[in-house]
Amino acid sequence: SQTIHQWPATLVQPVGSPLSLECTVEGTSNPNLYWYRQAAGRGLQLLFYSVGIGQISSEVPQNLSASRPQDRQFILSSKKLLLSDSGFYLCAWNVNGQAPLAFFGPGTRLTVL
Amino acid sequence: LAKTTQPISMDSYEGQEVNITCSHNNIATNDYITWYQQFPSQGPRFIIQGYKTKVTNEVASLFIPADRKSSTLSLPRVSLSDTAVYYCLVGPSNFGNEKLTFGTGTRLTIIP
Repeated sequence: SQTIHQWPATLVQPVGSPLSLECTVEGTSNPNLYWYRQAAGRGLQLLFYSVGIGQISSEVPQNLSASRPQDRQFILSSKKLLLSDSGFYLCAWNVNGQAPLAFFGPGTRLTVL
Repeated sequence: LAKTTQPISMDSYEGQEVNITCSHNNIATNDYITWYQQFPSQGPRFIIQGYKTKVTNEVASLFIPADRKSSTLSLPRVSLSDTAVYYCLVGPSNFGNEKLTFGTGTRLTIIP
């Protein structure tokens, strides 16, 4: 069966510090991978999505970046965090040929102070 | 994905049946309708998916009229634990490389 992991589960970082969140998927090959952010009480904002290794599409211009060094690994990064980067970060995956069916990781709660 | 419209919020009492409607006027022939449920501090999880008529599973039922321009998620006899945000997504079976975007969803609050 397929599983998706995210870490860390929670993170508190000072403004201006770097960020690295990792997501890995097991039990599937060549998944589409997504990073979402959810501010408190708000909806899901799509940040990045990837259809393959090294292929990243950015949805929102900001100080975040994403990379996909391996087929089932998706990394969200920042060189300098802003207060507005606080939120709940979710990684998700799905595969081509499946109508909008996606599976989400447990999420990372990021607080920037 | 097709544009969808849902109520922003709904309240209901425990034990009642709750129906959440999603409008998707521009649904395409090969589009499926999928509903997700999200609890606080968790990622959305799949509830139910359908193409036409009625689909039922252990969690919910999905009603889709013949013109498929709307769909209704039905939750039977809700409990406090059904308080969550519910998202409706409409997309093709040949998903291809289309990005997966969510709307604002419907925030359902169950009242004791």
